[in-house]
Amino acid sequence: GENVEQHPSTLSVQEGDSAVIKCTYSDSASNYFPWYKQELGKRPQLIIDIRSNVGEKKDQRIAVTLNKTAKHFSLHITETQPEDSAVYFCAASGRDDKIIFGKGTRLHILP
Amino acid sequence: SQTIHQWPATLVQPVGSPLSLECTVEGTSNPNLYWYRQAAGRGLQLLFYSVGIGQISSEVPQNLSASRPQDRQFILSSKKLLLSDSGFYLCAWSQGRTDTQYFGPGTRLTVL
Repeated sequence: GENVEQHPSTLSVQEGDSAVIKCTYSDSASNYFPWYKQELGKRPQLIIDIRSNVGEKKDQRIAVTLNKTAKHFSLHITETQPEDSAVYFCAASGRDDKIIFGKGTRLHILP
Repeated sequence: SQTIHQWPATLVQPVGSPLSLECTVEGTSNPNLYWYRQAAGRGLQLLFYSVGIGQISSEVPQNLSASRPQDRQFILSSKKLLLSDSGFYLCAWSQGRTDTQYFGPGTRLTVL
């Protein structure tokens, strides 16, 4: 079945700098890749997603890139702000009715 | 628009007691429904998912069970809770396999 690896597990960046989180997946049939942000004590919320027919997608300070050949995708956050501090999860669609999540990246924005 | 509800929001239960958590979705029909558990500071563990009434797929063998008595209702149960059942339980729905999953507000369960 699908396996999703996410790195790093923890990331600290200075406010205003960029943050990059990377994920790899194993199933070449996967075609949907969402990213979720989870603030402390709250539910995960979708921040951006990409489908396999697209290589890059942007939404203001957030962008996601997908390399189908290498089977990896990345989240890019530019001009980081304190409210970007959270846990971020990548995910990939499985062959059945599941989405497989990575283990998460705890992002700290340093003042 | 669609809304997902979970209750209760928090629960403290003794070891060996039963459990029933409920999740309902409004504003859609025939959704895929999912139960996840999240231990403190950890990732999302898929417990059960359902693609229709009475159809339950189990991901992790344990003392939990799930049922879907109605199209938009998903219930997580246990006959006897263990200490290791403590965690943040999240219900989610999607319209299909490659559609976005939307999470409910969660139930924080503490087993003492």
